[in-house]
Amino acid sequence: EAQVTQNPRYLITVTGKKLTVTCSQNMNHEYMSWYRQDPGLGLRQIYYSMNVEVTDKGDVPEGYKVSRKEKRNFPLILESPSPNQTSLYFCASTPKGGSDHEQFFGPGTRLTVL
Amino acid sequence: QKEVEQNSGPLSVPEGAIASLNCTYSDRGSQSFFWYRQYSGKSPELIMFIYSNGDKEDGRFTAQLNKASQYVSLLIRDSQPSDSATYLCAVKEGTYKYIFGTGTRLKVLA
Repeated sequence: EAQVTQNPRYLITVTGKKLTVTCSQNMNHEYMSWYRQDPGLGLRQIYYSMNVEVTDKGDVPEGYKVSRKEKRNFPLILESPSPNQTSLYFCASTPKGGSDHEQFFGPGTRLTVL
Repeated sequence: QKEVEQNSGPLSVPEGAIASLNCTYSDRGSQSFFWYRQYSGKSPELIMFIYSNGDKEDGRFTAQLNKASQYVSLLIRDSQPSDSATYLCAVKEGTYKYIFGTGTRLKVLA
């Protein structure tokens, strides 16, 4: 089944404890992206990647890191999480070329930072 | 800062009516526009995209784009309770950067 997977789905952690949220897609898509969704603020793009080893900042990159060492994986790293990073996070992937309009979203990761 | 604006709602319509959802955007150079549906606790799913001025129809859904007015809308005909969700408008900037509106919550009353 073609899909985007994220792990963990739910995470409660404490301020300053490094964490990684994994994202993997099995559709051989070139483009991948991370978003956070907060009430009243909508979906905001954190980072995106055009291909392996090519990443760029979105609108809210502060406090986050990403890497794209393999085409299928795009982990989101919070080196020192803070309570303002409590949010719902979505990973998305998009194929290059004719269908470049359709983003496929993962199921989301609900993160709480205490 | 480029913006996409939507009324947060809720927009309540009776079953069988037409629901009209609206979105405005600030960047006059924007070329690609998308409507996503998001059920509570779920991920967004694409309903329609539109690139050209005018109307685009897909089943019960019609997207309308007016670039001169920087306005894009989504009409849902014969609304069903299962259409109750939050509808997100998104604008693509450049190659792979998307700006989303905050969404409009639609409630279809049985």
